[in-house]
Amino acid sequence: AQKITQTQPGMFVQEKEAVTLDCTYDTSDPSYGLFWYKQPSSGEMIFLIYQGSYDQQNATEGRYSLNFQKARKSANLVISASQLGDSAMYFCAMRERQTGANNLFFGTGTRLTVIP
Amino acid sequence: GAGVSQSPSNKVTEKGKDVELRCDPISGHTALYWYRQSLGQGLEFLIYFQGNSAPDKSGLPSDRFSAERTGGSVSTLTIQRTQQEDSAVYLCASSLVGQASGQPQHFGDGTRLSIL
Repeated sequence: AQKITQTQPGMFVQEKEAVTLDCTYDTSDPSYGLFWYKQPSSGEMIFLIYQGSYDQQNATEGRYSLNFQKARKSANLVISASQLGDSAMYFCAMRERQTGANNLFFGTGTRLTVIP
Repeated sequence: GAGVSQSPSNKVTEKGKDVELRCDPISGHTALYWYRQSLGQGLEFLIYFQGNSAPDKSGLPSDRFSAERTGGSVSTLTIQRTQQEDSAVYLCASSLVGQASGQPQHFGDGTRLSIL
């Protein structure tokens, strides 16, 4: 089974509007962390936001917020007031703690296009 | 710069040749990771180093792949007898501590490997 599922291969959003990128995850580890990365066409992976499994509040970083629904095992990224520079691939990733694995498991990504 | 540095940025080689990819992590980062990203795909974990040790080599796709890290710093990923399916972008990442929650992995710009 896939550990991270991103069901939206591509998304479009009007400039200045908000957009939600979906991410669901699968783990039996009670302690885990969820990450979102942005990958522009230039290729670098840029860390955006982190949510820990025991965090009581949804994470926020500027225009990025994470809609964390633990019971549903979802960690959707919300980008508010979209800008043209937000056009990129977005990857959701998870790290499990108790298994001892230190690597991140990545989803297949969502390509976001911001329309002027 | 202060980020993760990878070299070369692009490598084109003939099938059957050996290649070496280099990663220079952020100073002070003890954890180092190699990932592979095929065209249009998410990231596939290859290997993880904590210091000079590689406790997790589970992602290496075959015995043609090997990696080492010296001095707790620079790492080299070696692919022997390259095959066309090895063509991908190879990304290196580093983080402060492997197990700590919330510690994001910081990525380099990657090496784009093309096997003719």
